[in-house]
Amino acid sequence: NAGVTQTPKFQVLKTGQSMTLQCAQDMNHEYMSWYRQDPGMGLRLIHYSVGAGITDQGEVPNGYNVSRSTTEDFPLRLLSAAPSQTSVYFCASTPTSSYNEQFFGPGTRLTVL
Amino acid sequence: EDKVVQSPLSLVVHEGDTVTLNCSYEVTNFRSLLWYKQEKKAPTFLFMLTSSGIEKKSGRLSSILDKKELFSILNITATQTGDSAVYLCAAALQGAQKLVFGQGTRLTINP
Repeated sequence: NAGVTQTPKFQVLKTGQSMTLQCAQDMNHEYMSWYRQDPGMGLRLIHYSVGAGITDQGEVPNGYNVSRSTTEDFPLRLLSAAPSQTSVYFCASTPTSSYNEQFFGPGTRLTVL
Repeated sequence: EDKVVQSPLSLVVHEGDTVTLNCSYEVTNFRSLLWYKQEKKAPTFLFMLTSSGIEKKSGRLSSILDKKELFSILNITATQTGDSAVYLCAAALQGAQKLVFGQGTRLTINP
């Protein structure tokens, strides 16, 4: 199993550009989520999904969209990037059998100029 | 508002010392408390605690939860340089499968 994979590892955008951060897992986990990590602020939940076709907002959803068309994939879209979105983004998945123990991907470091 | 607070935010000790990291939480519908270790990349899971007073142990690391006083501690004995990392705690909420993270404690072990 590859576990949770994220692409790209690094990305630089200009203000106003759009992009999609990819996340995939091959463990058949129902629950997936996106976090951003900023210095001194731990991880903050952006959006999450409890299964294909179902998504919900987390703590900091503004400026981000998600969709979940398959169990495996959970992309995060930035529609119009802003410097405040400069951060490290982590995708995570959780098996329903191990409630709340989340497995994290390697992260995407995003810089918005 | 759900909140998790860790202390200290930063800690520097010498190899061989014992450290205690603190995590207090104030959340609605608490389910469990999780500890993660984060080195250069993604957080890796250490412990999940759901019951008060029952210590979980893995090698030199141990953790305990107090659901009455709403806190947890993570102990590391005989620290090694490889223990240097950011340690994150998170409160898991009932029914929502959401985690609320603390700010993290940056632990540095000097040889």
